[in-house]
Amino acid sequence: EAGVVQSPRYKIIEKKQPVAFWCNPISGHNTLYWYRQNLGQGPELLIRYENEEAVDDSQLPKDRFSAERLKGVDSTLKIQPAELGDSAVYLCASNRDSYNEQFFGPGTRLTVL
Amino acid sequence: RKEVEQDPGPFNVPEGATVAFNCTYSNSASQSFFWYRQDCRKEPKLLMSVYSSGNEDGRFTAQLNRASQYISLLIRDSKLSDSATYLCVVNSGGSQGNLIFGKGTKLSVKP
Repeated sequence: EAGVVQSPRYKIIEKKQPVAFWCNPISGHNTLYWYRQNLGQGPELLIRYENEEAVDDSQLPKDRFSAERLKGVDSTLKIQPAELGDSAVYLCASNRDSYNEQFFGPGTRLTVL
Repeated sequence: RKEVEQDPGPFNVPEGATVAFNCTYSNSASQSFFWYRQDCRKEPKLLMSVYSSGNEDGRFTAQLNRASQYISLLIRDSKLSDSATYLCVVNSGGSQGNLIFGKGTKLSVKP
């Protein structure tokens, strides 16, 4: 069974530029999560989807961050414009429903210069 | 007080040693508890769930004390391959709450 797929794996941009991350969860997993992990910290939830519905986006900085999961399968997380403090690893995770183990993708390492 | 707090680490131990990690959580409504393992520059992976009665998986033993809001992980007979960061994870409350991750404790097992 294929795992959670994320792309790109690495991204370097200048501040004020836009950036987008893509995630394809494990087939059949209805719940999808986006996390941000700063160096030396644990992952912090940005947004959780149940199918195509964002059921918790309370931690998403909505002035510059947006996300979508239009068909309830893959998802995109966007930052526009990026700031220096956005440098982090952005992790996508999925599970069949929120009771089950979360499986993480390899993450996208973002560096904002 | 942070929602999930862990030993700061790093823990540097020789092979064969027994090492224990501790974690406290602030939300008494939390229902689910886990230990995740994260290798350097890799994604977190579930190591084990933690049950009220305590549970063991080979060399790994997890304990939960709800009254004290305390979770522990014991690793016996440490192997070089155990070197990683161990993340204490708690759900935010209720059976479908989001997961809250601790900062993690780094373990380095030396020959």
